[in-house]
Amino acid sequence: LAKTTQPISMDSYEGQEVNITCSHNNIATNDYITWYQQFPSQGPRFIIQGYKTKVTNEVASLFIPADRKSSTLSLPRVSLSDTAVYYCLVGRPGDMRFGAGTRLTVKP
Amino acid sequence: DGGITQSPKYLFRKEGQNVTLSCEQNLNHDAMYWYRQDPGQGLRLIYYSQIVNDFQKGDIAEGYSVSREKKESFPLTVTSAQKNPTAFYLCASSQIGGTRSTEAFFGQGTRLTVV
Repeated sequence: LAKTTQPISMDSYEGQEVNITCSHNNIATNDYITWYQQFPSQGPRFIIQGYKTKVTNEVASLFIPADRKSSTLSLPRVSLSDTAVYYCLVGRPGDMRFGAGTRLTVKP
Repeated sequence: DGGITQSPKYLFRKEGQNVTLSCEQNLNHDAMYWYRQDPGQGLRLIYYSQIVNDFQKGDIAEGYSVSREKKESFPLTVTSAQKNPTAFYLCASSQIGGTRSTEAFFGQGTRLTVV
């Protein structure tokens, strides 16, 4: 399975847009890119899934370049409640492995 | 309500004991997973199953065992061979196929402590 590399931590301020980039140089043709959010002592929660180009839903956007070797999760106008760990996963449905994640801290 | 249920929420194990963590889902999902999370760390995959009566080892399967006799259930046994079992254990399920095929739903977790 493709290994992912993300920044360990990021800081932001309320109202800003946050972009978290994930590198996955060995992504396979059948792999999807998925992002999850996790709060302390809870299970992760699905944010967004993509295969190529751009995907947008009600909470985030996912940008994937043509070579698919990286992806960027974009969170518009973050609030304090967006402070969490964000995980980038690359793989096929039914076999999902998490990396270390990015700890995002949103400050007032 | 549809969802995934783990029990117990807290579990204490004595040295040398086997313990079983329960995971049940009523989402009719094909795939189920077990993860371990240590403080300040990411999730590590223990075992996963894509179909009844079949399962695969994840990255840290040693000292653990699972069964998948029913689609709804995927219990995890932490055996005495697991030398450092104190951790937060998370079970998840997902549907293989569809528009959100990598969307997994997680239980509330079981916090296991060795005493």
